[in-house]
Amino acid sequence: DAGVIQSPRHEVTEMGQEVTLRCKPISGHNSLFWYRQTMMRGLELLIYFNNNVPIDDSGMPEDRFSAKMPNASFSTLKIQPSEPRDSAVYFCASSLMGRETQETQYFGPGTRLLVL
Amino acid sequence: GQSLEQPSEVTAVEGAIVQINCTYQTSGFYGLSWYQQHDGGAPTFLSYNALDGLEETGRFSSFLSRSDSYGYLLLQELQMKDSASYFCAVRDRWGQNFVFGPGTRLSVLP
Repeated sequence: DAGVIQSPRHEVTEMGQEVTLRCKPISGHNSLFWYRQTMMRGLELLIYFNNNVPIDDSGMPEDRFSAKMPNASFSTLKIQPSEPRDSAVYFCASSLMGRETQETQYFGPGTRLLVL
Repeated sequence: GQSLEQPSEVTAVEGAIVQINCTYQTSGFYGLSWYQQHDGGAPTFLSYNALDGLEETGRFSSFLSRSDSYGYLLLQELQMKDSASYFCAVRDRWGQNFVFGPGTRLSVLP
C-alpha cells in the first residue's frame, strides 16, 4: 500500500494567491482528516470527513479555508486568499473508523506551505 | 472542550528508560493514542489505550487510568533513533473531536 499521498510536498506562494492542497487516503479507509501544524499552535484538526461527508469543521480557521471530498479516494483543502499566517505544514490523515476498530490514523508526508 | 498536557522536553541517555506523561480533560472519552514524529516527518501511530491498564508493544508501553484522566508512554532501552517528539491524542466517544497534546520532545544522548 502506498500510504496516504499528499501533493504538492512544498508550496511557496504570494499573499492573496489561491492554494490547493490534495490528498489521496489509503484505499478502504472511511475517514479523512486535515491537520495544520505550526510551532506556536502545535497540531490542530481542521476538518474531518466520514464516508466523504464533513462531520466536524469547527477547526477551520475562517471562510478563506474550504475542504471537499468528492469521492472516497480524493480530498482537497483550499485557501483563498492565502495570508502569511497560513504558513504551516498541512497533514492529511486517514483511518478506518468504527465502534470496534482501534483508533489509528495514518498520516501523509505533509505539504509545507510558505506564504510570502 | 478538550485539553491535554504533556511535558515539553525530556532528556535521557541511551539504554535508559523514560516515561512521558499525559493528562487530559475532555467532555467525553473514547481512548488515548500516542504518536511519534521525527523532525521533518509525519506523525506515526505508536499505541492506543481504550481501557485501563498497560499495553506493551516491543520496547514501548502505554498506560491509561480513566479515573485519573492520565496516561503515559514508557520507552525502554532507549536508542538514538528514539529522539523525536511524542504526542498523546484523544477522541471523544462520539468521534467528533480529535485533539493532540502539545508534544514532548525527547532527546536521547549517547
